[in-house]
Amino acid sequence: DAKTTQPTSMDCAEGRAANLPCNHSTISGNEYVYWYRQIHSQGPQYIIHGLKNNETNEMASLIITEDRKSSTLILPHATLRDTAVYYCIVPHLSGGSYIPTFGRGTSLIVHP
Amino acid sequence: NAGVTQTPKFQVLKTGQSMTLQCAQDMNHNSMYWYRQDPGMGLRLIYYSASEGTTDKGEVPNGYNVSRLNKREFSLRLESAAPSQTSVYFCASSEQWAESEAFFGQGTRLTVV
Repeated sequence: DAKTTQPTSMDCAEGRAANLPCNHSTISGNEYVYWYRQIHSQGPQYIIHGLKNNETNEMASLIITEDRKSSTLILPHATLRDTAVYYCIVPHLSGGSYIPTFGRGTSLIVHP
Repeated sequence: NAGVTQTPKFQVLKTGQSMTLQCAQDMNHNSMYWYRQDPGMGLRLIYYSASEGTTDKGEVPNGYNVSRLNKREFSLRLESAAPSQTSVYFCASSEQWAESEAFFGQGTRLTVV
């Protein structure tokens, strides 16, 4: 299983970039890195995912190191509404299906 | 598009009672999942269904049963509720976790007294 390690909490000033790190040193070559976030107690929301290359969408950028052992989620201009718990997930293959395992994530607080 | 719909949103049970949590998705996804989330914790996988007609145990299956009724619906049953099952339950669906995003319902908040 490719377990992930994230800091418990981070904070960021509104308007600045938020950089959330994740270690996944046991990731296998064909396993993707996913990022989700959970605002209050709502259902988690998909942000972005990637395999090897860096990815960008309207919400965030994902930077994956060349050895794929770590990644960083970047929220380029954080707003107060980005305050949430962010989960880095590497679904692992089990019995023919990819199984996603959530850790405790990183609690990001964006302050004015 | 409703996405993933869970019912009920809230439920209080007495110890020993049974109930079924319902989940339906309208995105024609193959895979569906049930998670529980305890206060201050991440989500833990209870059961999943990779495709219609199949179900498998996740991390914490004890005390639960599931049914993949058809491609749209995946239900979670508590046969004899215990206080330790007080939690928020989330259902999710995806085409396949490896390469596509998953969509989550808004959760069912269950209290067992």
